[in-house]
Amino acid sequence: DTGVSQDPRHKITKRGQNVTFRCDPISEHNRLYWYRQTLGQGPEFLTYFQNEAQLEKSRLLSDRFSAERPKGSFSTLEIQRTEQGDSAMYLCASSLGRRTGGGTEAFFGQGTRLTVV
Amino acid sequence: DAKTTQPNSMESNEEEPVHLPCNHSTISGTDYIHWYRQLPSQGPEYVIHGLTSNVNNRMASLAIAEDRKSSTLILHRATLRDAAVYYCILRATSYDKVIFGPGTSLSVIP
Repeated sequence: DTGVSQDPRHKITKRGQNVTFRCDPISEHNRLYWYRQTLGQGPEFLTYFQNEAQLEKSRLLSDRFSAERPKGSFSTLEIQRTEQGDSAMYLCASSLGRRTGGGTEAFFGQGTRLTVV
Repeated sequence: DAKTTQPNSMESNEEEPVHLPCNHSTISGTDYIHWYRQLPSQGPEYVIHGLTSNVNNRMASLAIAEDRKSSTLILHRATLRDAAVYYCILRATSYDKVIFGPGTSLSVIP
């Protein structure tokens, strides 16, 4: 079990550039989540997938953000025309979702730290 | 989403038990109580969860009030590695995204 892996771990980009992050979930997990975390705050939910279907998007996910999960395996999060306010840690998590019970734990990756200069 | 309230910060001496409280007065009958923690510069990690009965695992114990309006995460013997932000979270049965609040920042004093 290699856990949830995210790439890159760190990214520095200039304002206005596009960036893309990748998340590889635990292989049998059907649910995948993206979060954003700024310093001193808890992670904020952005979006989640059930297999390849994007089921929910937070109001935080502006039009400049897009997430995909082709074939229900890895996922990418793209931010277009980055702004300084996008600087944050972007976390990915996966879990085995079941239709009943709230007892399935989510496993988190180490995150991608984005700095927009 | 049902809300939880936790103290902003707590301190504990190393090798002593720690009781981290959480209030969730608006919990619904099907909400599970989950605890996650986040060590510095790492992603959150699952600690424990329960529905009605107290739960124990290798990391911690979870004590749930009879009316389920509050719970306590118990670390039996704090170590320096337990210094982290601890999040108390409710997860409904109909969906299972994890919604984080500010959490409790635990400091462990050697």
